Amino acid sequence: QKEVEQNSGPLSVPEGAIASLNCTYSDRGSQSFFWYRQYSGKSPELIMFIYSNGDKEDGRFTAQLNKASQYVSLLIRDSQPSDSATYLCAVNIPRNNDMRFGAGTRLTVKP
Amino acid sequence: GAVVSQHPSRVICKSGTSVKIECRSLDFQATTMFWYRQFPKQSLMLMATSNEGSKATYEQGVEKDKFLINHASLTLSTLTVTSAHPEDSSFYICSAREGLAASYNEQFFGPGTRLTVL
Repeated sequence: QKEVEQNSGPLSVPEGAIASLNCTYSDRGSQSFFWYRQYSGKSPELIMFIYSNGDKEDGRFTAQLNKASQYVSLLIRDSQPSDSATYLCAVNIPRNNDMRFGAGTRLTVKP
Repeated sequence: GAVVSQHPSRVICKSGTSVKIECRSLDFQATTMFWYRQFPKQSLMLMATSNEGSKATYEQGVEKDKFLINHASLTLSTLTVTSAHPEDSSFYICSAREGLAASYNEQFFGPGTRLTVL
């Protein structure tokens, strides 16, 4: 089982819709969860982090964490074409003091 | 916010030459720095982790004698691709973390260096 798994997509949503991106992780001891956005040809950019169970909102973005299910998600409300990018989930791995990235989900928001 | 720079942003070199890429944390002290490689349409691949003043820890399959990493200060790490070959052409991205612990410490990425080996 991979340490961090994401559906590679592509995920396509119409403009104005909610985009839902999912991520599962294997290490129950993980404590920190991050979402990065990567535009084509650019490096990743941190958009949110979450450490506690529940929801965390920042503008149009909501991160959701469920440690019991080892699941973290990112919701993007009112999706815009400029949100089209690859979204990377990252999780800390306590046993080796490391952070591992999922392969990323490619999101396309169609006007 | 935390800013990480990389230089150069783009480099083209001949096969057999060496290329050095610099990664700097501009407004924080980076205890730990990371080097990634990303081929087109593929995911990030961690090459190595370096802590300031120590030898880098390389991921399995990454040749440490080919990819030399130096993290001499809390704001600078360098990656040298020695005897570069066309298959080394890729997007090299560094990231930096302020704390030693992976928990509760974000990693911030540099803008990346696109290496083309002819």
